[in-house]
Amino acid sequence: GESVGLHLPTLSVQEGDNSIINCAYSNSASDYFIWYKQESGKGPQFIIDIRSNMDKRQGQRVTVLLNKTVKHLSLQIAATQPGDSAVYFCAENIGKAAGNKLTFGGGTRVLVKP
Amino acid sequence: ETGVTQTPRHLVMGMTNKKSLKCEQHLGHNAMYWYKQSAKKPLELMFVYNFKEQTENNSVPSRFSPECPNSSHLFLHLHTLQPEDSALYLCASSSVLDGSEKLFFGSGTQLSVL
Repeated sequence: GESVGLHLPTLSVQEGDNSIINCAYSNSASDYFIWYKQESGKGPQFIIDIRSNMDKRQGQRVTVLLNKTVKHLSLQIAATQPGDSAVYFCAENIGKAAGNKLTFGGGTRVLVKP
Repeated sequence: ETGVTQTPRHLVMGMTNKKSLKCEQHLGHNAMYWYKQSAKKPLELMFVYNFKEQTENNSVPSRFSPECPNSSHLFLHLHTLQPEDSALYLCASSSVLDGSEKLFFGSGTQLSVL
């Protein structure tokens, strides 16, 4: 069925290195994608989003890349810091008619090593 | 602080108990959501309310009963739950009117059913 999935469940990164988190989606009708960060004991927090009419969008230390040809989404974090340790979720909006319906992937845990 | 407040933060209940989860948003949004987050599954959408009207019930068992008295408040009434209902229940809100698809999440209620 239609789903959003993540390739890597856990990513260990050395402090200062760049992180890349990948996500595959299968719903070709989705035109909005979003990344969330969830720290222990907190709800998901917005990081960055992108619409399907774009293939790249940059924020502060983060970049989202969208490849519609292969239905792939990635989040790049530059100069990873200890505070970046968290679980990262990608999501796609599969319905906007009456309220947004974000469908989430399984999440990737990022561990930053000092 | 995301502007979405959930209470209680933690809840332990027996299978015969009746309890309610509360969510309040201070963002002026018009859509509110309940999501379930368990260890073995991705974030699952449960209910969507748009302008106080329920627009989505994602095949949720009737032992979960949502209530949305106004655009700022959302409740989830629980009765005769099962141990497998133990999870983190997340509330979110969004503004549908301005075309934004970003959801703002609360910190969640960690529910344990004994």
